[in-house]
Amino acid sequence: GENVEQHPSTLSVQEGDSAVIKCTYSDSASNYFPWYKQELGKGPQLIIDIRSNVGEKKDQRIAVTLNKTAKHFSLHITETQPEDSAVYFCAASTALDNLFFGTGTRLTVIP
Amino acid sequence: NAGVTQTPKFRVLKTGQSMTLLCAQDMNHEYMYWYRQDPGMGLRLIHYSVGEGTTAKGEVPDGYNVSRLKKQNFLLGLESAAPSQTSVYFCASSGGRLNTEAFFGQGTRLTVV
Repeated sequence: GENVEQHPSTLSVQEGDSAVIKCTYSDSASNYFPWYKQELGKGPQLIIDIRSNVGEKKDQRIAVTLNKTAKHFSLHITETQPEDSAVYFCAASTALDNLFFGTGTRLTVIP
Repeated sequence: NAGVTQTPKFRVLKTGQSMTLLCAQDMNHEYMYWYRQDPGMGLRLIHYSVGEGTTAKGEVPDGYNVSRLKKQNFLLGLESAAPSQTSVYFCASSGGRLNTEAFFGQGTRLTVV
């Protein structure tokens, strides 16, 4: 099955700086790559996703890039704010019935 | 709009006991899923359902059973709990396959002693 690796496991940034989280995947058939944010005591919530026919997608301060040749995708958060502090998960799907998750990145934004 | 609701939120079981976790969604979604989340391992799919009356195995199905008798409910059962099943369990639902947005419940923290 699919293997998704995520780095780094923890990330601390100063408020206003950018944060980048990277993921790699193994199955070239994967074609859907969502990112989830999980706040303490809550379930994961989708923040942005990208499909294999797109190289980059932006939504305000959040952007995701995808390199299908290299099988990696990244989450970029600009102008970070304290409320961005959470655990972020990348995932990959082959349009079958499973979503394979990375191991998560704990982001801390220091005021 | 409640979304996805899990019951209970916390539970402590003794080894060998049984229990059922309930997931309810009010979005009329066809697909429902049960995941477990363990430290350093992300979320792993236990079982899923693509519609009322259907179930299928995910990555880590052993020791669990599920039922989807009603479209809005997806039950996860542990027949004989083991310490290795100590985890946080998340239910999710989506309107289609998992390449559309999946909505997660708030989780159930289960401890087996």
